[in-house]
Amino acid sequence: EIVLTQSPATLSLSPGERATLSCRASQSVSSQLAWYQQKPGQAPRLLIYDASNRATGIPARFSGSGSGTDFTLTISSLEPEDFAVYYCHQRSNWPDTFGGGTKVEIK
Amino acid sequence: QVQLVESGGGVVQPGMSLTLSCAASGFTFSRFGMHWVRQPPGKGLEWVSLIWFDGSDKNYADSVKGRFTISRDNSKNTLYLQMNSLRVEDTAVYYCARDLIAPNYGFDYWGQGALVTVSS
Repeated sequence: EIVLTQSPATLSLSPGERATLSCRASQSVSSQLAWYQQKPGQAPRLLIYDASNRATGIPARFSGSGSGTDFTLTISSLEPEDFAVYYCHQRSNWPDTFGGGTKVEIK
Repeated sequence: QVQLVESGGGVVQPGMSLTLSCAASGFTFSRFGMHWVRQPPGKGLEWVSLIWFDGSDKNYADSVKGRFTISRDNSKNTLYLQMNSLRVEDTAVYYCARDLIAPNYGFDYWGQGALVTVSS
């Protein structure tokens, strides 16, 4: 199975700062990668699909890039509601797998 | 609006069975593949199972293969997960999630989750 490694595990930033989250795949997943945001007690929410497409209703400050094995989720300027855990997810090879998550916390 | 509502969670002893349901509304259920994803308390997400839009194909994670069965009733707009021979390590919040339509990849809507606790 494809292993997704997210880094860093925790990112401590202040509102207004730029957040850069990484997801590395153990083998190529082409562009079949999604990003989700999860807040405590809530279900995950789709942010980015197909590596770089924003889902419906997602603010423009969220962007995704990459292909193959290296992917990045960027939040251009953190809003208070963006502090959460972020997961990447690949659908290229069975079984679907998720990364371990990056927690973005308030510094 | 799209809604997915899970039900059927609870506390069971190891070896017992439980069936989760996911009631869908606000979209044409029969057009979409559906998944179950679980999350143990305080941990990350684990994909569990997939069923195609018409029920013609199903896939399972190795950790549940042979014990869990996914199914759907398109006439009732409902997805199911029958869980047999439950183990302590199956304890998790179980989410149903809707698949984007190919060639797009991702889960665009999720239910609120159903907690399954397996404990003696």
